[in-house]
Amino acid sequence: SQKIEQNSEALNIQEGKTATLTCNYTNYSPAYLQWYRQDPGRGPVFLLLIRENEKEKRKERLKVTFDTTLKQSLFHITASQPADSATYLCALPNSNSGYALNFGKGTSLLVTP
Amino acid sequence: GAVVSQHPSRVICKSGTSVKIECRSLDFQATTMFWYRQFPKQSLMLMATSNEGSKATYEQGVEKDKFLINHASLTLSTLTVTSAHPEDSSFYICSVGEGAYTEAFFGQGTRLTVV
Repeated sequence: SQKIEQNSEALNIQEGKTATLTCNYTNYSPAYLQWYRQDPGRGPVFLLLIRENEKEKRKERLKVTFDTTLKQSLFHITASQPADSATYLCALPNSNSGYALNFGKGTSLLVTP
Repeated sequence: GAVVSQHPSRVICKSGTSVKIECRSLDFQATTMFWYRQFPKQSLMLMATSNEGSKATYEQGVEKDKFLINHASLTLSTLTVTSAHPEDSSFYICSVGEGAYTEAFFGQGTRLTVV
């Protein structure tokens, strides 16, 4: 079965450092992969989309890599700030339901001053 | 991007009653909307695809007679949880989008508690 795995342990880092989150998937050949941010009690908010033919994508302090051989995506937040504290979700297209998404459980990031 | 509004944001209901959750696409005509459910510390799980003017498509394991979906217009889809039980307590979220290779826009979610 298709699986999306994210580190379930919370990631605690100091302000100003780079946070790196991992998303591994199995039994998928996704055409693209997305990252979302979710705050407690809120719906996810889109951050970045990377296509299978792209190795890296950047947006301001965010960077995503996509290795289809390793079946892995890395999500980086540079110069992290306390406001970056949230849960970050990796999402892949649902192969059975149009353009719906399958999500990982997310990784909780806590940035301390 | 699209603005998606869900109502209510929180609801508490008694076991055995029904609850209706509304999902409105305020600035985007959505022929398709998706309904997800999220239990604590778990991932969002797709429940069903809501299609404007036609029947919804449900994921395996989701009871279509329990979770009634109506998508009567391009801006409104409703999810009715019928005969709710405590195990239906969860966070329900809807989303819209323009298709593959594009971002999804989510509502703020509805926290349902069945007592």
